[in-house]
Amino acid sequence: GAVVSQHPSRVICKSGTSVKIECRSLDFQATTMFWYRQFPKQSLMLMATSNEGSKATYEQGVEKDKFLINHASLTLSTLTVTSAHPEDSSFYICSATNPDKTNYGYTFGSGTRLTVV
Amino acid sequence: QKEVEQNSGPLSVPEGAIASLNCTYSDRGSQSFFWYRQYSGKSPELIMSIYSNGDKEDGRFTAQLNKASQYVSLLIRDSQPSDSATYLCAVTPDTKLVFGAGTILRVKS
Repeated sequence: GAVVSQHPSRVICKSGTSVKIECRSLDFQATTMFWYRQFPKQSLMLMATSNEGSKATYEQGVEKDKFLINHASLTLSTLTVTSAHPEDSSFYICSATNPDKTNYGYTFGSGTRLTVV
Repeated sequence: QKEVEQNSGPLSVPEGAIASLNCTYSDRGSQSFFWYRQYSGKSPELIMSIYSNGDKEDGRFTAQLNKASQYVSLLIRDSQPSDSATYLCAVTPDTKLVFGAGTILRVKS
């Protein structure tokens, strides 16, 4: 089945620094990847949609200059949290899909727990 | 109005009973519907997907879709304590996947 690898699983960083999270599709071409954020006891909130080779589309209220998304290949998307602050501490999850496939599914990475101190 | 609505629960059922989870959505153009299970601190895992009206069964799970009523449900038969988790309904108004807030299910042994 489709597998998405997300790294790191946990990261602790100092306030003001940047953190990069990687999301890789291991056995399929992910033309579209999604980035979600989940705060404790809340649902997954879509942050942005990235299509390979083009700029990401951000959801309303998400700062594109703070959450940099790069989807340079069909198997890799990265999310960089720039100038991180404690309020950015959250569970970040990526999802990958290929809408060109019939009844395409969405495969999730294992998530990254970000703690900003 | 939220795009995907679920009762947050918690829904408590005894072991062996049927758990019924419900979800409504606002975008009539939605084509794909999913149920995910999420354990605390973990990523969601796919339970069922359904694309056309009617029922779809997979083991102890049955998904039901009614596009006219914009309603999708998940039945879990013979509920087990290990089924205790948050169940997320998700729909695709376009290519992106939009989640409901989730329903907490507690199965008591």
